[in-house]
Parts: sequence; structure tokens; C-alpha cells
Amino acid sequence: DGGITQSPKYLFRKEGQNVTLSCEQNLNHDAMYWYRQDPGQGLRLIYYSQIVNDFQKGDIAEGYSVSREKKESFPLTVTSAQKNPTAFYLCASSWTGVGQPQHFGDGTRLSIL
Amino acid sequence: QQPVQSPQAVILREGEDAVINCSSSKALYSVHWYRQKHGEAPVFLMILLKGGEQKGHEKISASFNEKKQQSSLYLTASQLSYSGTYFCGTEKPEAGSYQLTFGKGTKLSVIP
Repeated sequence: DGGITQSPKYLFRKEGQNVTLSCEQNLNHDAMYWYRQDPGQGLRLIYYSQIVNDFQKGDIAEGYSVSREKKESFPLTVTSAQKNPTAFYLCASSWTGVGQPQHFGDGTRLSIL
Repeated sequence: QQPVQSPQAVILREGEDAVINCSSSKALYSVHWYRQKHGEAPVFLMILLKGGEQKGHEKISASFNEKKQQSSLYLTASQLSYSGTYFCGTEKPEAGSYQLTFGKGTKLSVIP
């Protein structure tokens, strides 16, 4: 079955550490996205990529980094510069073009120890 | 700019109807609607493209008024399975960018 796989489901980080969240899709979508979700805030865009080896900052990119070396993979690194990383992180993918629905993974919940 | 959803929360009894609104201050190409159950991934419901088209299936439908930059989601004869948080995502006509900006969500609770 086609879909998006995020791992791990739960992640704990010590202060000062970088952690990487995995996102893999087998839908052959060109575009991939990372969102952060906090209670009562909706989904806020961190980074997005419409093609391999290219990505753009979203609304809250500070303290995060990404890479897009393969079409299927879009890992997100939460760096130590992100002062409040505790949140639910969602990865999504879609075809490029107007009006394309986004398909979401099951999310990774990141907490600070 | 984040679209504004209203109401923030609503409680319904099974069989009742509800309307969720999504408003933007900027011109839009499209409005997307998603439903998310607690701790799960958002699930796509439908897309409204500019043109005032009303779409839907079964008892969930939506409309898009591009002049007002507003979309409404209609849930009729609600079922327990409709419970969750509903998000609208708006797509703006910026060249080469297909990103969505999501509202803060409307929490819908359906009780027996």
C-alpha cells in the first residue's frame, strides 16, 4: 500500500542535542512538507520541497534543517537552536500544482527530557 | 496569513447539523478541508477550487465563496464518527508555490 511513514513515533531529546525525524513516502509525489502542531495552533509549515535537492523555508524554519537527496525521503533535523522543540511533527506529501491534496504520515511526538 | 476558523469548538448530538467557517483576508486559489482525530494524522476530506463550486459526498459538503474569500463546511445528520478537529488549509496564488496555510482548527464533538 502506498503511504507516508514517519519514524520514530515518540522521540525524546536532551537539551543541546540535535535529533532527526524520518519521513519516507512511496506515493511518487514530488512535493513533501514538514509541519509542527502545538495544541490550539493548527499546523504550521516548517519546510517544504517541490523537487529533489531543493527546499524552501516555511513560516517557522528557525532551529530546523532539512535535506532532500532522494524523492522518497525528506528528513527533518531539530537542532539545539530550537528552544521549544516539544511538539507533534507531521510530514506530508502531494503532487505539485494547484489544488493537490496533501497526504499525511502518522506523526512523531518529540519531547524534551 | 493564517485563515480564521469559527467556531473554535462545537458539541452536537447525533443527528444534528453543523457548519464550520473558514475566512481569509487574501485572495485564494483553493480551500482544503481535513479532519484529524486525537493523536492521528489529518485525513483529507475535500478541496474547493475558486468558482463558488459546492462539493461533497454523503453528508459532508462544502462551499467556497471566492469574492468573500470564505469557505464553509456543512455536516448534516452528524454521526459519532464525525468527532475530531477540522482544519481548513488555504492555497494562495503565489507563483510556483503550492503551500497551504492552515487555520487553528474547529473541535467537533458528537455525543449520543
